[in-house]
Amino acid sequence: GAGVSQSPRYKVAKRGQDVALRCDPISGHVSLFWYQQALGQGPEFLTYFQNEAQLDKSGLPSDRFFAERPEGSVSTLKIQRTQQEDSAVYLCASSLGVAGVETQYFGPGTRLLVL
Amino acid sequence: AQTVTQSQPEMSVQEAETVTLSCTYDTSESDYYLFWYKQPPSRQMILVIRQEAYKQQNATENRFSVNFQKAAKSFSLKISDSQLGDAAMYFCAYSFAYNNNDMRFGAGTRLTVKP
Repeated sequence: GAGVSQSPRYKVAKRGQDVALRCDPISGHVSLFWYQQALGQGPEFLTYFQNEAQLDKSGLPSDRFFAERPEGSVSTLKIQRTQQEDSAVYLCASSLGVAGVETQYFGPGTRLLVL
Repeated sequence: AQTVTQSQPEMSVQEAETVTLSCTYDTSESDYYLFWYKQPPSRQMILVIRQEAYKQQNATENRFSVNFQKAAKSFSLKISDSQLGDAAMYFCAYSFAYNNNDMRFGAGTRLTVKP
């Protein structure tokens, strides 16, 4: 079966532009996560959806970051007025359930470069 | 807050030999899960092995095994009979048992396998 997919794989934006990153989770997975991974670092949690409900957005670094999952499947992470410090790989992951034991399946990531 | 520390930014191993990657974590919880994820250069993270904190027996998955020391809050990964395909970034991660929306990752260890 298909895994988690993300698009685009690479995005170059000029500072101040808005960008939208898409995540297609594994079909039927309840939980969806967004992470930000800076160069040479581990992923850092951004936000979490359980179906269409955004239950945790404590990791979003500023109000320029917005995420949605309106129908409980595909999710979009939007970054408004991009800044150079937003340059990173944005990872999406999904899991079947909601408990801590659940394996998270990761997508290949979107590498964002803000010039 | 839970933190995960990987003190070895880089490790190297000869093909067919054994290598151990270190991880320590800090938590006040008693029920949690620990994970090792592998991230090859293509960047798609995959789960290598998982350990439930309530289990005393160390998890094993083929050539991969862990040494889980709960009192010491240590969770090392041993890779036996190393193969060229094991070369990757390895991330240690922690998740609270009752919800999975707060997974914390270490900074990673880059493993090089020499032929």
